[in-house]
Amino acid sequence: DQQVKQNSPSLSVQEGRISILNCDYTNSMFDYFLWYKKYPAEGPTFLISISSIKDKNEDGRFTVFLNKSAKHLSLHIVPSQPGDSAVYFCAAMRNRGGKLIFGQGTELSVKP
Amino acid sequence: EAGVVQSPRYKIIEKKQPVAFWCNPISGHNTLYWYLQNLGQGPELLIRYENEEAVDDSQLPKDRFSAERLKGVDSTLKIQPAELGDSAVYLCASSFQRNTEAFFGQGTRLTVV
Repeated sequence: DQQVKQNSPSLSVQEGRISILNCDYTNSMFDYFLWYKKYPAEGPTFLISISSIKDKNEDGRFTVFLNKSAKHLSLHIVPSQPGDSAVYFCAAMRNRGGKLIFGQGTELSVKP
Repeated sequence: EAGVVQSPRYKIIEKKQPVAFWCNPISGHNTLYWYLQNLGQGPELLIRYENEEAVDDSQLPKDRFSAERLKGVDSTLKIQPAELGDSAVYLCASSFQRNTEAFFGQGTRLTVV
């Protein structure tokens, strides 16, 4: 049972344009959501998070949107840069309890 | 500030042999996690420690996997005996508290032949 799903395994975007990565979840008890970025041969790096009491959180070029009624979150990167090329994982946590449930990842490629 | 340190980075062993992974978390982080990542998948939690206590090990295959976190700092994860299906990346992570973001090490890529 995949509780967190990233249905797009890959995404290709032109440099300077917006990248939108999507994530769906099934468990309504999730109350904290995170995005991680992973380069090859490295561990995931924390990018941005959002609590279920909010619907938007912004940090520089990165914005995460949460739609609780649709059980959907998205990560927007504006403008996209070639260095953003990586695999992006969304993750969810229940009751801020420490256990992260990850999606399968989306590989973003930003073309110069 | 040093991040989460894992060793070794790569390990190749024959099936049925034992193997151990080591993790040093970020200083001051009380919560430590071991995750397993198969190719093309997201990480999956194996075990979570709060200080030296394993508070969530429901996903750890206890017939062959064991872990310890002596003194609530470093941790080791052991597999004995290893099977072909154990080939994966083993990630260690730590966080200041259980409800804050986790920081990951570079992982150990295990290949069982």
